[in-house]
Amino acid sequence: QKEVEQDPGPLSVPEGAIVSLNCTYSNSAFQYFMWYRQYSRKGPELLMYTYSSGNKEDGRFTAQVDKSSKYISLFIRDSQPSDSATYLCAMRIGSNYKLTFGKGTLLTVNP
Amino acid sequence: KAGVTQTPRYLIKTRGQQVTLSCSPISGHRSVSWYQQTPGQGLQFLFEYFSETQRNKGNFPGRFSGRQFSNSRSEMNVSTLELGDSALYLCASSWGLAGGDADTQYFGPGTRLTVL
Repeated sequence: QKEVEQDPGPLSVPEGAIVSLNCTYSNSAFQYFMWYRQYSRKGPELLMYTYSSGNKEDGRFTAQVDKSSKYISLFIRDSQPSDSATYLCAMRIGSNYKLTFGKGTLLTVNP
Repeated sequence: KAGVTQTPRYLIKTRGQQVTLSCSPISGHRSVSWYQQTPGQGLQFLFEYFSETQRNKGNFPGRFSGRQFSNSRSEMNVSTLELGDSALYLCASSWGLAGGDADTQYFGPGTRLTVL
C-alpha cells in the first residue's frame, strides 16, 4: 500500500463548478499537509499548507484535514479555466523535510 | 525576491554518461531538497541538504549523489545514466528550521533530462 493515495483523474468540470480533490494516507506520523499546483512544464507551486485537523480557507481554496480518517481534501470554489493544472497533495513528518507526494490529479476547467 | 533557479532547463544525454544539475535556492534558505518526477512514479524524494550536509536520503541507488556549497547552492549528479533516469528533476528550498509555516518548500522549474 502506498503511503499516499490520490485519484489521478483526469477530472473535467465546467467553469464555475466546485471542485473536490482528495488524498488518503496510511502513515499516522504525517503532521504537515500541503497542496501544490503544477502547470504543464513548470515546477509545483505551493497553494495551501495546513498542520492541524479542520479547515483552512484562502480565497477560493479550502483545505481540509481529517487526521482521524487520514484524509485530506482541497476544495476549489467558482473554478476558472486558469485553475486547469495538476494538483498534488504532499505531506511530511514533523521536522523531517522529505515530502511524500500523491501522484497528482489532472484538472481541466472548461470555459 | 528571486525564486528557486535550476540549470540547465533541458538536457539530453546517452546511456552510460553522467550528468550534473544545479540548483540555486531562494536567498536565505539553507535547505535544498531534490526530487525526481516521472509519469509512472510521480514525485519521489532523492535527498535533502542543509548547511552542506546531507540530512535525509530517499531510496535511490548510489548513482544519484549530491552536494551543497557554503552559499547553499546545490548540485546533483547522476552517473552511468540509464534510460529509466529520464525524468523532470526538481529542486526545492526552505529555511530548513524545524516546524512551522516558514518551513514549506518552494520548487524550481526543474531540469528535464532525457536519456537516449
